[in-house]
Amino acid sequence: AQSVTQLGSHVSVSEGALVLLRCNYSSSVPPYLFWYVQYPNQGLQLLLKYTTGATLVKGINGFEAEFKKSETSFHLTKPSAHMSDAAEYFCAVSPMDSNYQLIWGAGTKLIIKP
Amino acid sequence: GAVVSQHPSWVICKSGTSVKIECRSLDFQATTMFWYRQFPKQSLMLMATSNEGSKATYEQGVEKDKFLINHASLTLSTLTVTSAHPEDSSFYICSARDTGGLNSPLHFGNGTRLTVT
Repeated sequence: AQSVTQLGSHVSVSEGALVLLRCNYSSSVPPYLFWYVQYPNQGLQLLLKYTTGATLVKGINGFEAEFKKSETSFHLTKPSAHMSDAAEYFCAVSPMDSNYQLIWGAGTKLIIKP
Repeated sequence: GAVVSQHPSWVICKSGTSVKIECRSLDFQATTMFWYRQFPKQSLMLMATSNEGSKATYEQGVEKDKFLINHASLTLSTLTVTSAHPEDSSFYICSARDTGGLNSPLHFGNGTRLTVT
């Protein structure tokens, strides 16, 4: 069965430190990959996505993620955390043979320490 | 664990008819539910935020009169697609958060695939 695993339900980093949110997936076919963010009191927003082409994808707010097929990973990073990055982050995959289905990770709450 | 039940999982309807999609939180109360729409191989688009006991907040470009949202209780929100047309065919998904607040996790329904013929 296809699945998405986000390591750590909560991640805490200091302001200015590197942000690393991990996402691993299992899929029988190459997937499209997404990272979404949900800020407090708001709905999900797309941070970035990988479909084809360059495996390093840049998104909004300084975030980027790298698709590593050999590791079945799509980790999200940001060089320097800001207080405004505090939010919940969700990794999702959509197998290329599926028109609609998104398989979701459980989410990671990012906490930024002053 | 907390479960969000979305029903139906798929529906086919004729053009001009209306379709209701239900989103239920089975073992928790949800003050706020979110409704999304997903086009093939694309990301989710937030349609509206549904608040229990009050009017939904719609995103820009989403027709309020076409996509009727009702959140009558802490465990049920409904999305009604009125006078559906083929371009409304899509995948609709809801999510909900426990009333425990922002520290409570967000739970997703399994989605509803709507096909309008």
